[in-house]
Amino acid sequence: DVKVTQSSRYLVKRTGEKVFLECVQDMDHENMFWYRQDPGLGLRLIYFSYDVKMKEKGDIPEGYSVSREKKERFSLILESASTNQTSMYLCASSSPLDDRTYTEAFFGQGTRLTVV
Amino acid sequence: AQRVTQPEKLLSVFKGAPVELKCNYSYSGSPELFWYVQYSRQRLQLLLRHISRESIKGFTADLNKGETSFHLKKPFAQEEDSAMYYCALSVRSGGYQKVTFGTGTKLQVIP
Repeated sequence: DVKVTQSSRYLVKRTGEKVFLECVQDMDHENMFWYRQDPGLGLRLIYFSYDVKMKEKGDIPEGYSVSREKKERFSLILESASTNQTSMYLCASSSPLDDRTYTEAFFGQGTRLTVV
Repeated sequence: AQRVTQPEKLLSVFKGAPVELKCNYSYSGSPELFWYVQYSRQRLQLLLRHISRESIKGFTADLNKGETSFHLKKPFAQEEDSAMYYCALSVRSGGYQKVTFGTGTKLQVIP
């Protein structure tokens, strides 16, 4: 059973703090993703990674950075948290099936971050 | 750039009525389309993908490349179908995968 685990379910941080959101997957997946989920806006891709130490910007990378030092772990970093980063953050992983298709994306349970 | 459009934020239907959740995409290459579902207090999970051509929980979806659509359908809605549904587009770009989601449609099945 694929497991994608996010380190915190709920997090409250102050404006200006540096925030780390951690995600671990146990299926040896190459690809990992960070999304934020907001009502009416759906899931928006922040960053993704297709290999260790490799990262690509998604659609809304501003204010965020990521780190992937090990294959199983993908961290999202808010360098200086702001109130507009209050959201639900979802981590996901997937893997190639062949040179054209991939597995489905497997999701973590989400981290609800509130910045006050 | 790829885009996924789900025009309805909320769809309310009566139990036993047919359901159609709309999804349109824009992508010039060969897309791979998915429907994901999120039940209350559960994590987002795959419902179905177009290449498998399966029916899951009575739901089906057909990829129409001419209309660039991937609508989700079920002939008779059940109360347990109430959930948030997301259409997603997976593309291979520069040797890696990028997955883009729509804004989601909340399906409410009225008893």
